[in-house]
Amino acid sequence: AQSVTQLGSHVSVSEGALVLLRCNYSSSVPPYLFWYVQYPNQGLQLLLKYTTGATLVKGINGFEAGFKKSETSFHLTKPSAHMSDAAEYFCAVLTDKLIFGTGTRLQVFP
Amino acid sequence: DVKVTQSSRYLVKRTGEKVFLECVQDMDHENMFWYRQDPGLGLRLIYFSYDVKMKEKGDIPEGYSVSREKKERFSLILESASTNQTSMYLCASSLDPDRDRYGYTFGSGTRLTVV
Repeated sequence: AQSVTQLGSHVSVSEGALVLLRCNYSSSVPPYLFWYVQYPNQGLQLLLKYTTGATLVKGINGFEAGFKKSETSFHLTKPSAHMSDAAEYFCAVLTDKLIFGTGTRLQVFP
Repeated sequence: DVKVTQSSRYLVKRTGEKVFLECVQDMDHENMFWYRQDPGLGLRLIYFSYDVKMKEKGDIPEGYSVSREKKERFSLILESASTNQTSMYLCASSLDPDRDRYGYTFGSGTRLTVV
């Protein structure tokens, strides 16, 4: 069965530092991949989606994700963290339905 | 923009009560979903529907049922609420019944507490 693993339930960075949130999926066939963000007391908002053929996907708020088929990874990055990036981030894989990772809470310190 | 509206942000119910969580979307999406979100467990799919009157069990359907009488409305029903159903419930909808490659649109969630 398809699964999604997010490495690290909590990640802390300083404002201005690189953000790296890790996601690995298990599938022999590249699925559709997504990153969602959830701000406190809100629903999930689509951050970016992977489309076939791309290796780097750009999303909203300066985030991007790199797809590596050989590593079955879809890590999320942002060159410079902002305080407003503090939220929970979910990686998701779509096969016949959308399957989520367990989430990574990002804290940004001044 | 697609809007998915969940009728309540916060609910407190008593053990044994029948609970209805309502979800309405306004973009004529075929697909609708109910997830529950718990710390450390991410989002888990309870039920989904690809058409009116149609429903499919997700990964954790026990203790829940759903109703989809109209395309825009998808209701989650807790037949007899229990404390282990205290959680955040998220409704979502999407286009493209074959491959939902556009991503799901989520409501703001209902935080249910069963006492």
